[in-house]
Amino acid sequence: DTAVSQTPKYLVTQMGNDKSIKCEQNLGHDTMYWYKQDSKKFLKIMFSYNNKELIINETVPNRFSPKSPDKAHLNLHINSLELGDSAVYFCASSLLTSTDTQYFGPGTRLTVL
Amino acid sequence: DAKTTQPPSMDCAEGRAANLPCNHSTISGNEYVYWYRQIHSQGPQYIIHGLKNNETNEMASLIITEDRKSSTLILPHATLRDTAVYYCIVRVSGGGADGLTFGKGTHLIIQP
Repeated sequence: DTAVSQTPKYLVTQMGNDKSIKCEQNLGHDTMYWYKQDSKKFLKIMFSYNNKELIINETVPNRFSPKSPDKAHLNLHINSLELGDSAVYFCASSLLTSTDTQYFGPGTRLTVL
Repeated sequence: DAKTTQPPSMDCAEGRAANLPCNHSTISGNEYVYWYRQIHSQGPQYIIHGLKNNETNEMASLIITEDRKSSTLILPHATLRDTAVYYCIVRVSGGGADGLTFGKGTHLIIQP
């Protein structure tokens, strides 16, 4: 059984479009995250949510809007895509009491043309 | 979180022990050492963590020096599938949902 899943795995789109990436975890965790890994392979936290509430927003443009319909899901919606948004996006989850042991999804490779 | 320093890359022969060092000279008394790895095109994977005692699990062993200023991750019998970037992270356990801070890590290449 997949612990943290993301869809789609690959996403190719034109500049200016709006797209969403979905994330689901079946681990019973209460905290979920979005990370971005750019072309230089640096992995950086974007958002974290605990029990559907935003905890951290790390200087991410407001074109990025995470949505958490329930504790098991954290989706990432991106408006007006730009070339610089091309990256691999990873979803992760953990328990708030153990936020250092995070389980990551397989990643979504976003390419903006 | 304390800063960590790791060599950018290392080679190891298949079947041998891979020893990955990490320096964290500014570590605080309540900060743990965590290790994650990222195999190419996959999400990071938790390996092990410790405070001051040596730790071992099914994946690896973690040796922390007595002064806690450095540590070594040991993969006892490296296989080709252990080729990955290994990240050493220092932070307070349960330190809030502020995400993990990944550095550049060590690219470990297991040679056949």
